[in-house]
Amino acid sequence: TQLLEQSPQFLSIQEGENLTVYCNSSSVFSSLQWYRQEPGEGPVLLVTVVTGGEVKKLKRLTFQFGDARKDSSLHITAAQPGDTGLYLCAGSGSSNTGKLIFGQGTTLQVKP
Amino acid sequence: EPEVTQTPSHQVTQMGQEVILRCVPISNHLYFYWYRQILGQKVEFLVSFYNNEISEKSEIFDDQFSVERPDGSNFTLKIRSTKLEDSAMYFCASGTGFSSGYTFGSGTRLTVV
Repeated sequence: TQLLEQSPQFLSIQEGENLTVYCNSSSVFSSLQWYRQEPGEGPVLLVTVVTGGEVKKLKRLTFQFGDARKDSSLHITAAQPGDTGLYLCAGSGSSNTGKLIFGQGTTLQVKP
Repeated sequence: EPEVTQTPSHQVTQMGQEVILRCVPISNHLYFYWYRQILGQKVEFLVSFYNNEISEKSEIFDDQFSVERPDGSNFTLKIRSTKLEDSAMYFCASGTGFSSGYTFGSGTRLTVV
């Protein structure tokens, strides 16, 4: 069974600070996706990484896929209160159906 | 921007009743999924659907559950004889390919009483 472990589960920081969220597994994933989920809403796709070592940037967010495609990280520079939310990593793994295995999520609170 | 639409947004049903959750995926998408999220828990895969048939289902997706894409636009999840433990948010998702990411609907909150 493929599992994704996210850390930390909760993070509370001040506006302007930097942070990194980690998503780790012992399994190889063909791709890894990061989503943001607001309360009562569905996950919204932020980025997909496919190649080992790949780095993608989305404004102040930097996403990296590990060389071995077993882990990923999300780094936010100069966090803003608008970054507050639940961040989910999800991997597309060994099945050829595209199903996603989700991590448990990281709840980020950015205080003004 | 194209959206995945789910109805109803909230459904309350008596234990043992049947419910149908409806989804309209994005029109040019080929891959369709149902996930559920029990309050405070991870998002869990239920079933994937491609080329008008189930391509994979999880252990959760037993004989109580079924999916249909009856008219080429709607994608439904039927739960027969609901149980208390079926209470969850149910999300529909669709996509064009595995490495492109998916678009999720806003979910249906199912409460079984």
